Amino acid sequence: AQSVTQPDIHITVSEGASLELRCNYSYGATPYLFWYVQSPGQGLQLLLKYFSGDTLVQGIKGFEAEFKRSQSSFNLRKPSVHWSDAAEYFCAVGMDSSYKLIFGSGTRLLVRP
Amino acid sequence: DSGVTQTPKHLITATGQRVTLRCSPRSGDLSVYWYQQSLDQGLQFLIQYYNGEERAKGNILERFSAQQFPDLHSELNLSSLELGDSALYFCASSPRRLFEGYTFGSGTRLTVV
Repeated sequence: AQSVTQPDIHITVSEGASLELRCNYSYGATPYLFWYVQSPGQGLQLLLKYFSGDTLVQGIKGFEAEFKRSQSSFNLRKPSVHWSDAAEYFCAVGMDSSYKLIFGSGTRLLVRP
Repeated sequence: DSGVTQTPKHLITATGQRVTLRCSPRSGDLSVYWYQQSLDQGLQFLIQYYNGEERAKGNILERFSAQQFPDLHSELNLSSLELGDSALYFCASSPRRLFEGYTFGSGTRLTVV
């Protein structure tokens, strides 16, 4: 069965510092992979996605993620964090045959001034 | 505005009652998904409809049901409500292919008292 693990429940970084949020998935074939962001009281917004091709994908708000098949990982990165990036981040995996996305438990990002 | 509309935004009701949550998908999207988000369970997939037909079921209680109407809007019915049903309920929509990801609504916050 598909599963997604986000090992870090909380991460705190200083404004201007780099960020990496970890995501590991379990799935036999190459899945569709997504990162979503949720600000307090808001819905989830798609940051970026991967389904084939270049393993480094660019998203909105300056985020990028790298698909590493050998490690079953799809980590999210940002070179310089802004205070407005404080939110909860969700990694998700899906396969086209089911149209269903499985979400990780989320990582809450706190940004120190 | 994501294009997915959920109503109402907030709902407070008593235990044992029944409520209906409504979702209008993004224009052109045929699939609708319902998710429940709570502090202890995270983001849980409930059910998916595609063009009026149930496509997949997740961790949906028997007290909950959903349907998708010919105009593609969907309703999630929650009955015999319990305190533990208090959560954020999200609707998302997608086109036929998953690679575009989901577009989420802003959610309905249900409080059962």
